[in-house]
Amino acid sequence: DAGITQSPRHKVTETGTPVTLRCHQTENHRYMYWYRQDPGHGLRLIHYSYGVKDTDKGEVSDGYSVSRSKTEDFLLTLESATSSQTSVYFCAISEAGVNPSYNEQFFGPGTRLTVL
Amino acid sequence: KNQVEQSPQSLIILEGKNCTLQCNYTVSPFSNLRWYKQDTGRGPVSLTIMTFSENTKSNGRYTATLDADTKQSSLHITASQLSDSASYICVVSRGGFKTIFGAGTRLFVKA
Repeated sequence: DAGITQSPRHKVTETGTPVTLRCHQTENHRYMYWYRQDPGHGLRLIHYSYGVKDTDKGEVSDGYSVSRSKTEDFLLTLESATSSQTSVYFCAISEAGVNPSYNEQFFGPGTRLTVL
Repeated sequence: KNQVEQSPQSLIILEGKNCTLQCNYTVSPFSNLRWYKQDTGRGPVSLTIMTFSENTKSNGRYTATLDADTKQSSLHITASQLSDSASYICVVSRGGFKTIFGAGTRLFVKA
């Protein structure tokens, strides 16, 4: 998985609790992404980062926040988890470029989150 | 509305047979189109990428086609193997960080 790890790989939590997912890369890629994948839906972008401390919202960012204090780590936080946030979360990385869309995204193994 | 539709949702074929997966999109502006393979329990892995001016791209037994006029793409798998069992995802980019993922086609290859 191209030097990308996600932790934890599985988590069960209760509604209203905070949850933080971690993505760690060893590739020194500039761009990092958080997606969620739900049955019947394509992967949907939650947040992305285009550099240390530089982040922006994706299409489904409500209820999520992110932080990137160093190149290799990108954290996704659910401040108060809800059942609708039960999903599989994928982190991805890609190299910098004039048009980021041309650079292949490499995905991590995913984190399965269940909110009861 | 920017959408990527894939068909069929799922497909079962016998080992050694060929198959074709379809992707129709209504995404504008168009930058490029990728096909990804996603094995169960793993993250997606890129198979091919095509820009507006490319209409065919191959990667081993995988051949992708693109008709930018009709906004259709297909992924053809030749001489299928058991290891081809996976989900295949069509992804259309509008440029920058704006990408639309299809829901995928689940392929089962049986011995």
